[in-house]
Amino acid sequence: GQSLEQPSEVTAVEGAIVQINCTYQTSGFYGLSWYQQHDGGAPTFLSYNALDGLEETGRFSSFLSRSDSYGYLLLQELQMKDSASYFCAVSASGGSYIPTFGRGTSLIVHP
Amino acid sequence: EAQVTQNPRYLITVTGKKLTVTCSQNMNHEYMSWYRQDPGLGLRQIYYSMNVEVTDKGDVPEGYKVSRKEKRNFPLILESPSPNQTSLYFCASAPDHITGANNGYTFGSGTRLTVV
Repeated sequence: GQSLEQPSEVTAVEGAIVQINCTYQTSGFYGLSWYQQHDGGAPTFLSYNALDGLEETGRFSSFLSRSDSYGYLLLQELQMKDSASYFCAVSASGGSYIPTFGRGTSLIVHP
Repeated sequence: EAQVTQNPRYLITVTGKKLTVTCSQNMNHEYMSWYRQDPGLGLRQIYYSMNVEVTDKGDVPEGYKVSRKEKRNFPLILESPSPNQTSLYFCASAPDHITGANNGYTFGSGTRLTVV
């Protein structure tokens, strides 16, 4: 099976940088993805990492270390609208490449 | 507009009364999936479908049924709902399961189900 660990809650102030960590256990690792969800709305895809290193998309970046079974989502220049839940999800060959989602991290951005 | 449409958005029902939550996508996607979301538990997969007439169990299939008679529709059926099925349900789709893993799934807006 697959399992993921991410913090349940992270708080930060507007304009700051925050990092949301995700560790996973799986066999046949394929990739790690990140989703954002506002207030019970539809989750939206943010990023995907299959190889080690940092992927940057605007204010958001995602990092992967396959050897450490670890990744993180980095949010820069935080805005109030970034307050949301963030889910990491791991895909593996053993799971038909279908992502298993973590329990989510609630990010609270304070003014 | 490319989208995944779920209906209804909200539903309150009684224990044992059969119900169906509909899901339709207009993107000609092969892959469709159902998730339930409960506080502190994240998104857990109920059933998925790789293509028409092909369905498989996810992590929490007990008490649910699905069908995929045509590509665009993937209804979720609760034959005898129970209070422990009170949850927020999401349908998702992707061109195929590999593309979904790489480029993300498109999710519907959710169905909030309460079983009393």
